[in-house]
Amino acid sequence: AQTVTQSQPEMSVQEAETVTLSCTYDTSESDYYLFWYKQPPSRQMILVIRQEAYKQQNATENRFSVNFQKAAKSFSLKISDSQLGDAAMYFCAYRTIPDTNFGNEKLTFGTGTRLTIIP
Amino acid sequence: DTAVSQTPKYLVTQMGNDKSIKCEQNLGHDTMYWYKQDSKKFLKIMFSYNNKELIINETVPNRFSPKSPDKAHLNLHINSLELGDSAVYFCASSQVSRQVRTFGSGTRLTVV
Repeated sequence: AQTVTQSQPEMSVQEAETVTLSCTYDTSESDYYLFWYKQPPSRQMILVIRQEAYKQQNATENRFSVNFQKAAKSFSLKISDSQLGDAAMYFCAYRTIPDTNFGNEKLTFGTGTRLTIIP
Repeated sequence: DTAVSQTPKYLVTQMGNDKSIKCEQNLGHDTMYWYKQDSKKFLKIMFSYNNKELIINETVPNRFSPKSPDKAHLNLHINSLELGDSAVYFCASSQVSRQVRTFGSGTRLTVV
């Protein structure tokens, strides 16, 4: 079974600084998807960034970028120029590739990292 | 327009009661899911439906019964509620051919 580990329950960063959130996962699959989701106090789960395992290039979305190390099974999230609105729980997630068109792919979440932005 | 909407947002009920949570998506997705987020914020899938057919059914007590009347709706009915059922329940949807799962804003269930 796939597992996702986030070893940092809490992180804090000064506003405008850069912070990196760690995520490792365990799988025997060669192809899969990886995601970072953000959950602000409103509880809404918001997709931040995604990465296909077959792509070597690290995904980037504005101030958010990942460091994907497939051999090490590591998928860290870097947030540059941190803003107060970035304060939230961040979840790393792993998704299998469905073997048919049915919805049997599983999205497995890590336990989350609570990010605090210090003004 | 809300893409994935859940009702109610908050639900407080006594042990032993039966309650339902409703979910609707207007994205035209063919797969819908129920997730449970416990007090430690851990998110775990409970069920997934594809075109009204149950696909994933994790080890969830029989007291939980999902119902999908059509592709756009997936309701969760819980019988004989227990204290341990207190959690935030998230509905989500996706188009199987795509990667992204769109989540609702969650329903906080408190069993007293």
